Amino acid sequence: QSVLTQPPSVSAAPGQKVTISCSGSSSNIGNNFVSWYQQLPGTAPKLLIYENNKRPSGIPDRFSGSKSGTSATLGITGLQTGDEADYYCGTWDSSLSAGVFGGGTKLTVL
Amino acid sequence: EVQLVQSGAEVKKPGESLKISCKGSGYSFNTYWIGWVRQMPGKGLEWMGFIYPGDSDTRYSPSFQGQVTISADKSISTAYLQWSSLKASDTAIYYCARRRYSISSDDYWGQGTLVTVSS
Repeated sequence: QSVLTQPPSVSAAPGQKVTISCSGSSSNIGNNFVSWYQQLPGTAPKLLIYENNKRPSGIPDRFSGSKSGTSATLGITGLQTGDEADYYCGTWDSSLSAGVFGGGTKLTVL
Repeated sequence: EVQLVQSGAEVKKPGESLKISCKGSGYSFNTYWIGWVRQMPGKGLEWMGFIYPGDSDTRYSPSFQGQVTISADKSISTAYLQWSSLKASDTAIYYCARRRYSISSDDYWGQGTLVTVSS
């Protein structure tokens, strides 16, 4: 059971918008930055969002992140079939003194 | 160009030892943490621990403390993950990833090393 809670799956049609939630506690999300990772089938994870809402170079602005209290959200607009992947939130847990991930959310673009 | 290149797939028997590697290039290896992440078949990501090659400061997730050993050789810009006695439940893909600070995000990842433990 993961320290951070994500929905197992979300789906939406091409061109639409989807959001993925990530819920934690004061020892992790509440007091640390949140990151989001995209894992396309058969590949290594890739950083999508860091420090709650910043995008690394090369990540399109269709991807956005936000944080409020002990929860964070990844938003993806203008969905494309190539966005079908598993998405993970991650952060540092100050009580565990360890990194933690959510269980992952599978995005299906119908 | 920043790259983390991991060693190849391994097939081992229960009880055997193993050491896999992750070689960094294109950046100052000594000044970034290198972490290890496990992904069991069909499952999510699990943070195992990391090392700061500059001074060998090493931290482990409580779930993996005592189960694996993380080390690094800064002279060849390589980090390692090792087991002294493998179990079938160690079968997984293992990724290395770098981060600038202990609490920051993992910005570059290795390609992954598949470890299969089977009798």
